[in-house]
This record gives sequence, structure tokens and C-alpha cells, in this order.
Amino acid sequence: GESVGLHLPTLSVQEGDNSIINCAYSNSASDYFIWYKQESGKGPQFIIDIRSNMDKRQGQRVTVLLNKTVKHLSLQIAATQPGDSAVYFCAEQGAGNMLTFGGGTRLMVKP
Amino acid sequence: DTAVSQTPKYLVTQMGNDKSIKCEQNLGHDTMYWYKQDSKKFLKIMFSYNNKELIINETVPNRFSPKSPDKAHLNLHINSLELGDSAVYFCASSQVNGNQPQHFGDGTRLSIL
Repeated sequence: GESVGLHLPTLSVQEGDNSIINCAYSNSASDYFIWYKQESGKGPQFIIDIRSNMDKRQGQRVTVLLNKTVKHLSLQIAATQPGDSAVYFCAEQGAGNMLTFGGGTRLMVKP
Repeated sequence: DTAVSQTPKYLVTQMGNDKSIKCEQNLGHDTMYWYKQDSKKFLKIMFSYNNKELIINETVPNRFSPKSPDKAHLNLHINSLELGDSAVYFCASSQVNGNQPQHFGDGTRLSIL
């Protein structure tokens, strides 16, 4: 079967609670950032993005915050549901549109 | 209506063999990519390619080569497979102009015996 990714940091939340997943990025020149969700056996799925001229962007139940001073991104998920259980990655876009991914955080939602 | 599709989904082969993974996108994107995901879930870019430019991550061995028969396809050829090549390989595509998110396929799990 698929490897579990034993070294991933894990965030465990109760269904209905809000979740906050944090990410540090490396390149201060990056101007575009993306959050992806990866479910077991699937590819990364786009959730929300933000450009460097913004510090906050909201989607449906999700909000991304960008702090360029400390090179930090966060993803907030409101009213977390069991279907939100997955591994979440932040990514920064560099030369050639190539993405540099963070290490990932596993979100586990308890019913 | 799959946007980015890869074949095969699983590939099991022996060390030293040569293999290919195919990728097709029907999104009309002009740039395609290959990523490698290791057993710790770490995702790393391998190549970025459009009809004008191939950008290669300097850490990728030259046993790996992308081949693009047309704008909608970017195949990955791997020669002389090694144990360390075992991983999940993801294809992605996007528009190169402006900041647009990349769309990923569901991956090919490569296992080297």
C-alpha cells in the first residue's frame, strides 16, 4: 500500500473546529504562493493562492494569510469537516514557474 | 473529463531497465512539469517545459529526460533505473503567463525491484 509519510507533522482537530496550518517559505523574491491539498492516492489539488502584493485572501471556508516580513504563510480552514482530512502543502513559485513545496502537514479531523 | 492524466498509475520494474511515463493535459495549457514525491511525501520539481524552453532542476540525473511530442503531452523517460528512483511521479500543467496555479495528475507510483 501507499507509504504513510511517517515524518509529516500532524494537526488533529475536532469536526466543526477551525484549523490553522502554517508554512515557512525560503525565497524572499517569490511573488506567488499556493496551497494544495493531497488526498491518499491522488495528486495535489489546488485550494487557494495569493500574490505577494496581498496579505490575505479568502475563499469558501478557507483563508490564506501571507506575512512577507517573516516569510510565513498560513491556511485557515473554517468549520473543518471529515472530508478536509488530507496532507496540505504550501508552495512558492520561482523561475520557469517551477514550484518549491514545503514539507507538508497532515490534517486529521475527528468526528 | 480528466484534466491531467498519467499512465500507468503503477509501474513495477527491475533495476537497470528503461521505462517511460506518459502525461497528457486537456486544459490548453502551454507549460508542463514533472515532480517527484519521495516516501516522506516531499515534492520536488524535476522539469519545467514549454515549446520554447526546457528548465531542468540541476539535481535531476541525466538518466531522466522529458519528451514532448506536442503541447498537450510531456512524457518522462528514465534510463538505467536505480533503487533510489522508487517514488511517485507527478505531471502538472499551467499557463506560463501571469500567476496561475498548476494542475496535477494523480501520479505514477514507480517501484524498482
